[in-house]
Amino acid sequence: AQSVTQLGSHVSVSEGALVLLRCNYSSSVPPYLFWYVQYPNQGLQLLLKYTSAATLVKGINGFEAEFKKSETSFHLTKPSAHMSDAAEYFCAVSVESGYSTLTFGKGTMLLVSP
Amino acid sequence: KAGVTQTPRYLIKTRGQQVTLSCSPISGHRSVSWYQQTPGQGLQFLFEYFSETQRNKGNFPGRFSGRQFSNSRSEMNVSTLELGDSALYLCASSLVGTGTSTDTQYFGPGTRLTVL
Repeated sequence: AQSVTQLGSHVSVSEGALVLLRCNYSSSVPPYLFWYVQYPNQGLQLLLKYTSAATLVKGINGFEAEFKKSETSFHLTKPSAHMSDAAEYFCAVSVESGYSTLTFGKGTMLLVSP
Repeated sequence: KAGVTQTPRYLIKTRGQQVTLSCSPISGHRSVSWYQQTPGQGLQFLFEYFSETQRNKGNFPGRFSGRQFSNSRSEMNVSTLELGDSALYLCASSLVGTGTSTDTQYFGPGTRLTVL
């Protein structure tokens, strides 16, 4: 069975600072990995996904993530935080087992201060 | 192309009642999945439907059920509501739900269920 661990339930950064949200996964087979963002009172929006095509994945709104098999990690980064990036971020994993069921981490709330 | 829609957006029920939530997938998507989101347990998979058949099920009691119609719209039902069922229920759709590299799940805004 697969699992996801997101380190830090809350991360605080200043506007313009680097954003780093950590995600480690556990999977017995090569996984697909995703980052979703959730704004207050909204559903989940896909930021980016890793499907083994390239280890560095670029997503929307300037976010990117790097798949590191040796570290079983898929950390999310953005060079310069904007106030509008304040939201909750979820890392998720699925395996190509015939179903696209997602297993999610507990989420990381990103707080951006001016 | 319109996104995933869920109705109603908010619901208030009392213990013991039952509730039905509705989800309309993105046009052309045939797989619909349901997830429960709570502060304590996070996001948990409920079940997935494809071509009117439940293909996959999470670890939830039988009070949680669902169905899918021929137009791919889906409903989920919760009977004999408990206080712990208060949650945001999210629906996600994908083309065929096979977990391939091109088959991504897209989420609706959710239905916020409050059980009093």
